[in-house]
Amino acid sequence: DSGVTQTPKHLITATGQRVTLRCSPRSGDLSVYWYQQSLDQGLQFLIQYYNGEERAKGNILERFSAQQFPDLHSELNLSSLELGDSALYFCASSVSPENTEAFFGQGTRLTVV
Amino acid sequence: GQQLNQSPQSMFIQEGEDVSMNCTSSSIFNTWLWYKQDPGEGPVLLIALYKAGELTSNGRLTAQFGITRKDSFLNISASIPSDVGIYFCAGRLNAGGTSYGKLTFGQGTILTVHP
Repeated sequence: DSGVTQTPKHLITATGQRVTLRCSPRSGDLSVYWYQQSLDQGLQFLIQYYNGEERAKGNILERFSAQQFPDLHSELNLSSLELGDSALYFCASSVSPENTEAFFGQGTRLTVV
Repeated sequence: GQQLNQSPQSMFIQEGEDVSMNCTSSSIFNTWLWYKQDPGEGPVLLIALYKAGELTSNGRLTAQFGITRKDSFLNISASIPSDVGIYFCAGRLNAGGTSYGKLTFGQGTILTVHP
């Protein structure tokens, strides 16, 4: 158990819908990262937050957004869902942005039908 | 964008054999990490490397940070059935700017161990 908690574990939704994925980082970690894992693209960095503020942005679509709350949990919002958004979404956390040893949650498997 | 080339893509070995996989990058990284992912689970950190030339072991696993800072390898000795999974290398670019903490992952090596 990495200490990073993601909910829900599975999500099935229709195209055009909006979903919210939630992540609670390890106790003491201030930095949260979101990654998308698909069969054809592998693990792709989406976005990073540190202590509530966005620190780095990767290949995140405009339809996607995220935030980190004062209690340090984070949410990833995916809207206007398309079939191609079906993937595993992982959250990871680390003590600080400089600390590279990120620990991953078990992921949320999103299926868009 | 930044890419990591990880090889081999898959390996089928007998229990007890040694395994070697590697990653190369077109750019310099200042940190290399190796993760293992089991089906339905998130990646689990195996080894972290922070200095060029560094050789680090974790039980039967040994990883090295290449001197050029553009490559890394992972060796698994005396493989056992529970070594089955997908192994990923990951690198972090030089610190600073908007790349802080961002990990770039290789495509993974699928390891199958036959008893």
